[in-house]
Amino acid sequence: KNEVEQSPQNLTAQEGEFITINCSYSVGISALHWLQQHPGGGIVSLFMLSSGKKKHGRLIATINIQEKHSSLHITASHPRDSAVYICAARTSGSRLTFGEGTQLTVNP
Amino acid sequence: DTGVSQDPRHKITKRGQNVTFRCDPISEHNRLYWYRQTLGQGPEFLTYFQNEAQLEKSRLLSDRFSAERPKGSFSTLEIQRTEQGDSAMYLCASSPDSYNEQFFGPGTRLTVL
Repeated sequence: KNEVEQSPQNLTAQEGEFITINCSYSVGISALHWLQQHPGGGIVSLFMLSSGKKKHGRLIATINIQEKHSSLHITASHPRDSAVYICAARTSGSRLTFGEGTQLTVNP
Repeated sequence: DTGVSQDPRHKITKRGQNVTFRCDPISEHNRLYWYRQTLGQGPEFLTYFQNEAQLEKSRLLSDRFSAERPKGSFSTLEIQRTEQGDSAMYLCASSPDSYNEQFFGPGTRLTVL
């Protein structure tokens, strides 16, 4: 069992739909990161959170420390949101342990 | 551009050859991380530096791998006697300290023939 697990692995949505990607972790963490990776490899940090909820534009990230679970929500999804979304747990020494990623495709 | 840069972006080599990658972090970022990502998988931690000190190494980092950050600025990752299983994207990231987000470079894609 991976220390960080994401679901679903693949997600296809129609433009405008509300999207949720889930992340569960089994290790103690100091923070949980959500990252976006586009084809070609570039990774962009979306959120870093250790409690509660953060919002940036159409993106919302939540975390429940007791349940060791985080979610990334995208409201009013758009084809340009198509990418791989990765959650990563920051553990001891500040290393990141990554989930396998969720491939999101938003169709027009 | 003041982001994290990596060089080269692509490297094709023959099995058994040595390769070296370079990462230039964001200026004044004390922490520098190396990760490896194989196709269809999330990245995996390799090692990280606090200034010039290498503080942690993954068990993934075999004896053929060595990383340095001699002056606490840029870092190099060398792979000796490359194997086909080393083919992957090698990602570098930097952060101001252990509490902040990490900023990723574009990666170096290594193909070992």
